[in-house]
Amino acid sequence: AQSVAQPEDQVNVAEGNPLTVKCTYSVSGNPYLFWYVQYPNRGLQFLLKYITGDNLVKGSYGFEAEFNKSQTSFHLKKPSALVSDSALYFCAVRDEYRYGKFYFGSGTKLNVKP
Amino acid sequence: NAGVTQTPKFQVLKTGQSMTLQCAQDMNHNSMYWYRQDPGMGLRLIYYSASEGTTDKGEVPNGYNVSRLNKREFSLRLESAAPSQTSVYFCASTTSGIRIGEQFFGPGTRLTVL
Repeated sequence: AQSVAQPEDQVNVAEGNPLTVKCTYSVSGNPYLFWYVQYPNRGLQFLLKYITGDNLVKGSYGFEAEFNKSQTSFHLKKPSALVSDSALYFCAVRDEYRYGKFYFGSGTKLNVKP
Repeated sequence: NAGVTQTPKFQVLKTGQSMTLQCAQDMNHNSMYWYRQDPGMGLRLIYYSASEGTTDKGEVPNGYNVSRLNKREFSLRLESAAPSQTSVYFCASTTSGIRIGEQFFGPGTRLTVL
């Protein structure tokens, strides 16, 4: 069965410091992995995805994610956090076999303090 | 190009009332989804439609019905609303088939059942 785990409910980081939001996954088949961000009272916005190829994926707003097959992880990173990055972040995996079905993690709240 | 639209944005119901949440997408996507988001629980899939003419249950389908009216529209119906259905509801869509695409989300419907 497919599943995604985000082990941290909340991550706190100072502005200008690097940030990491963790995600591990379990899939049968090829892992198609995604990160989304949600600002208060808004829908989810797509940040980046890993389908195949380079293990370091670059996305919107300066975010990147590193795919690690041996550790079944897909951590979200940014070299220098901004206060405006404060939001709720979701990791998701797409089921290769059941057409288009996505599985989401429980979300991690990122707080960036000035 | 509006993306994914949802109506209404807000709704208050009394226990036992019925209502239909509407969703439409203009991206020619095959697959559409309904999620509910509750605090601390991330996104939970209610129903999805892999393609026009098909619908499948997600992880929390009880108390809901869906209709894939055509390729653009996917509605969610609450036949007899209960306080446990107080939540924020999101519709999403994506491509399916060879191209592995991300999901696009609507702005959400905030539903309160008294």
